[in-house]
Amino acid sequence: GENVEQHPSTLSVQEGDSAVIKCTYSDSASNYFPWYKQELGKRPQLIIDIRSNVGEKKDQRIAVTLNKTAKHFSLHITETQPEDSAVYFCAASIGPNTDKLIFGTGTRLQVFP
Amino acid sequence: DVKVTQSSRYLVKRTGEKVFLECVQDMDHENMFWYRQDPGLGLRLIYFSYDVKMKEKGDIPEGYSVSREKKERFSLILESASTNQTSMYLCASSPPTGARYFGPGTRLTVT
Repeated sequence: GENVEQHPSTLSVQEGDSAVIKCTYSDSASNYFPWYKQELGKRPQLIIDIRSNVGEKKDQRIAVTLNKTAKHFSLHITETQPEDSAVYFCAASIGPNTDKLIFGTGTRLQVFP
Repeated sequence: DVKVTQSSRYLVKRTGEKVFLECVQDMDHENMFWYRQDPGLGLRLIYFSYDVKMKEKGDIPEGYSVSREKKERFSLILESASTNQTSMYLCASSPPTGARYFGPGTRLTVT
């Protein structure tokens, strides 16, 4: 079946450094790629998403890049802050329909002051 | 602001009990979902519904059923709870864009 692999599973950075989380997907028809942030004890929240017709999207300190040929996409967080500490999940649609998403297994990011 | 609520934050049930988890959304979304979250496994789709009385199996439907009698409410039912169903259950709703709006989760423990 379709799957999404996410790396690394844990990531520790110093405040102010950049953090990069990578995901690869298997379904070449996937066209929607969201990223969710889940703080400890809270619900996952969408932080950014990208569709297959663009290669990069940026929102302040976060950006997502998509390489459709290689079937991978990445989340970039610049100038990290302690409040960025959370678990981040990537996801990819199964086919062009956003009704079904497959989630990655998550990356626990710790930002040390 | 989208609001998704779940009936319980914490629930403890015994093996064999019938368990109902309820979810309500207030944004008139067509799509609603039930996910299970386990450490190291991410979010796995149990069932989703794209309209009232319509449902579709997700990746791990075994041991679960769902009910959607009204657009705003989506229920997950464990017909006979087992210890391997101890988990965090997350409900979500979604507009046509695909973004998921999650509820706060129900941590279910089956003893």
